[in-house]
Amino acid sequence: DVQMTQSPYNLAASPGESVTINCKASKSISKYLAWYQQKPGKANKLLIYDGSTLQSGIPSRFSGSRSGTDFTLTIRRLEPEDFGLYYCQQHNEYPFTFGSGTKLEIK
Amino acid sequence: EVQLVESGGGLVQPGRSLKLSCAASGFIFSDYYMAWVRQAPKKGLEWVASISFEGSDTYYGDSVKGRFTVSRENAKSTLYLQMNSLRSEDTATYYCTRHKGYYDGYYFAYWGQGVMVTVSS
Repeated sequence: DVQMTQSPYNLAASPGESVTINCKASKSISKYLAWYQQKPGKANKLLIYDGSTLQSGIPSRFSGSRSGTDFTLTIRRLEPEDFGLYYCQQHNEYPFTFGSGTKLEIK
Repeated sequence: EVQLVESGGGLVQPGRSLKLSCAASGFIFSDYYMAWVRQAPKKGLEWVASISFEGSDTYYGDSVKGRFTVSRENAKSTLYLQMNSLRSEDTATYYCTRHKGYYDGYYFAYWGQGVMVTVSS
């Protein structure tokens, strides 16, 4: 199985700042990584797939990048609604596996 | 608008069975793989099972293989998860997700709000 190592576990930032969340795959998954946002009382939201493709309707302040087996989610100019939990997921092969999550909190 | 509404959760004793349903709307159900993803309390997300367009192919995570069965009824735009021999470690919120389309990858594009399953005596 592909292990996804996500960091940091917790992240505190202020509105207007930029943050990065990292995810490392234990083996090659090509570009096939997705990022999700989870907030209480709301359905989980797909943000990015194929490493860097923005899902329809997602603001352009969200971006994804890849270097080998290392993937990064960058959120620029944080808005209050961006705070929550973020997960990465490899969608290259079964079984699909998720990172352990990053909690983005307001500083 | 894509909508996925899960039902059938609740409290069940260890060793017993439970069947979850997911009613889908807002898209052509048979044009997409569907999947179940779960999340134990205060834990991360875990993929459980996926099913192909017509239901001919199914895939399971190791933790549920042989105990859970995913199925679908395209005429009713409904996804199911039959859970047998339930264990305490199956306690989780179960999410119905829209999965791969003909031109999509294996990411989970849309999620339901989830249904809670508690396995306890």
